[in-house]
Amino acid sequence: NFMLTQPHSVSESPGKTVTISCTRSSGRIASSYVHWYQQRPGSSPINVIYEDNQRPSGVPDRFSGSVDTSSNSASLSISGLTTEDEADYYCQSYDSNTRGVVFGGGTKLTV
Amino acid sequence: EVNLVESGGGLVLPGRSLRLSCAASGFKFDDYAMHWVRQVPGKGLEWVAGVSWDSGRIAYADSVKGRFTISRDNAKTALFLQMNRLTSEDMAFYYCAKGGPSGIDAFDLWGQGTMVTVSS
Repeated sequence: NFMLTQPHSVSESPGKTVTISCTRSSGRIASSYVHWYQQRPGSSPINVIYEDNQRPSGVPDRFSGSVDTSSNSASLSISGLTTEDEADYYCQSYDSNTRGVVFGGGTKLTV
Repeated sequence: EVNLVESGGGLVLPGRSLRLSCAASGFKFDDYAMHWVRQVPGKGLEWVAGVSWDSGRIAYADSVKGRFTISRDNAKTALFLQMNRLTSEDMAFYYCAKGGPSGIDAFDLWGQGTMVTVSS
């Protein structure tokens, strides 16, 4: 079993760019896709990045994802921040050993 | 319109059982894996269980293994979660989520959630 570790919170000014990391504790980050979710207060999560760096239709191109094998981590970047981006963000990946799904602890973004 | 609607949550005594349902509409239900994810208010997401499109592959989080059972009825486009021997640690919002054709896929559709309260 592995864990996905995210910073508890990040803060950035409107118009700037923020990057949220998601570090895998064991096993290679590239061994399974990483997906990202946005959850605004009082709402259900929505998928904003799938398969490491793909954007679902309807998600602005201000959202991007990447994987860094050297740090065994994935990242979600959001550019041109607005107050609408204030939310909790979660990374997620599949554990092929347990056939289960692992979520990161979530990162609270303040704009 | 694609939609997932959970039901069955409520107040239950410790040690008792509860069955959650999720009604799916607007997509070909039997093409996709389905999952249950829970969230204690103010806390993070925790995956609970998942079932493949044909119920041939089922997996559970360690925290619920042996107590919870996930199932689906493709003819009725419904997903279920039978929860037995409930404890206060099971108290959370429970979301139904649509996966992809395989277990590695993102959850691209979520329901609004149903709250389970375990208390005497």
